[in-house]
Amino acid sequence: NAGVTQTPKFQVLKTGQSMTLQCAQDMNHEYMSWYRQDPGMGLRLIHYSVGAGITDQGEVPNGYNVSRSTTEDFPLRLLSAAPSQTSVYFCASREWGQRILNTEAFFGQGTRLTVV
Amino acid sequence: EDKVVQSPLSLVVHEGDTVTLNCSYEVTNFRSLLWYKQEKKAPTFLFMLTSSGIEKKSGRLSSILDKKELFSILNITATQTGDSAVYLCAALFGAGSYQLTFGKGTKLSVIP
Repeated sequence: NAGVTQTPKFQVLKTGQSMTLQCAQDMNHEYMSWYRQDPGMGLRLIHYSVGAGITDQGEVPNGYNVSRSTTEDFPLRLLSAAPSQTSVYFCASREWGQRILNTEAFFGQGTRLTVV
Repeated sequence: EDKVVQSPLSLVVHEGDTVTLNCSYEVTNFRSLLWYKQEKKAPTFLFMLTSSGIEKKSGRLSSILDKKELFSILNITATQTGDSAVYLCAALFGAGSYQLTFGKGTKLSVIP
């Protein structure tokens, strides 16, 4: 079982460059989300989606874009990278609707991004 | 503002010790509390708690929820070096649109 797959695992960007972090899940989960994790800050929600064509902002959305064209994929785009976006990014998926109350979130292995 | 607070933020113990990690929450429309273990990679699921007073157990780990006092504890008995990790708790809350908010984590270090 692949679960949640993130690519790339590591990335170094120059300030002002753009890139897309990929996330794919094979569990047919309707809910997908992106978190960033910084030292001492826990996991903070960037954007989430409750199904194809539906996205919404989380706690720290500025500087990031998302789209959801299929159930499986939820890419995160950095439009113009800044050093403040240096972080570890995790994609997560889970059930939606009433099923969410009885199931946990599954996480990808993370992308370590450094912006210089 | 909805929030989840974990304590302590870090803890160093010797192998064989018993530890208790704390998680308090203050969210609207609380649904469940989840515990994860993170060892330098993706968080892995430990427990989901939805009812007060019912202990969940997995080997040397156990957890319980108090919905009246708005907190949960994670106990680890007879700690081993393999228990060294960051332990995250998260509150699932909302009505219709569910959010999962994480605490900052407790970094546990178990030394031989």
